[in-house]
Amino acid sequence: KNEVEQSPQNLTAQEGEFITINCSYSVGISALHWLQQHPGGGIVSLFMLSSGKKKHGRLIATINIQEKHSSLHITASHPRDSAVYICAVSIMNYGGSQGNLIFGKGTKLSVKP
Amino acid sequence: GAVVSQHPSRVICKSGTSVKIECRSLDFQATTMFWYRQFPKKSLMLMATSNEGSKATYEQGVEKDKFLINHASLTLSTLTVTSAHPEDSSFYICSARVGSEAFFGQGTRLTVV
Repeated sequence: KNEVEQSPQNLTAQEGEFITINCSYSVGISALHWLQQHPGGGIVSLFMLSSGKKKHGRLIATINIQEKHSSLHITASHPRDSAVYICAVSIMNYGGSQGNLIFGKGTKLSVKP
Repeated sequence: GAVVSQHPSRVICKSGTSVKIECRSLDFQATTMFWYRQFPKKSLMLMATSNEGSKATYEQGVEKDKFLINHASLTLSTLTVTSAHPEDSSFYICSARVGSEAFFGQGTRLTVV
C-alpha cells in the first residue's frame, strides 16, 4: 500500500465547475504539500500545510491531521488549471533522508472550455 | 519565493555517453538538495540527497557509480548520468528546502537513443 494515496487519478471538468482532489496518507507527517505539474514537467508548490486551511486565489487546501486526509479545491475552474496535481508529505522524524518528501501519484485534471 | 533553476530542460544523448544536469539555487543557499526521478504515470521517486561538501546519500537500488552527484557549492548540485542507456530515459527533477517550504527545478527530460 502506498503511503500517500490520491483520488481521483484522472478528472475531467467543465469550465466553471468546483473541483476537489483528495489525498490520504498513512504515516505521521510534519507537513503536507500540494504541487502542480504542467505538461512540460515543471513543478510549482501551491501550498504547504500542517493544520487547518489555506486559500490562494481560487485554490483552497485543507488538512485534517486526525483523519490523515487533505483536500485541494479549485473554485470556478478554468482550462489553464489543467495540470497534474500532486500531494506530497514530509515524514515526521524520518530517519533516512531528512527533508525528503513522499509523493502521491498525482491527479490529472483536464478542464474543458 | 526561492528559485531553483535546473538545466537543461531537455536533452537527447546517445547510448554510452554521459549527461550532466545542473541544479542551482538562485537566491538562497541550499546545503541539501534532493534529486528525483519520475517514470511515466508514477510518483516522483527520491534517487539521492545531495549534501554540500560531502558525499551524497543514495536511496536503495540507485547505482552510485551510474548517477554521480556533486554538490561542490551552496548554490549548485549536479547529477551526471554516466554511460547512459535507453532505460535511463526519464524525467529528472531537483528540489531544495527552505525551512518547511519545498522548491523545485523545472525538471530535465532525458532521452537516451
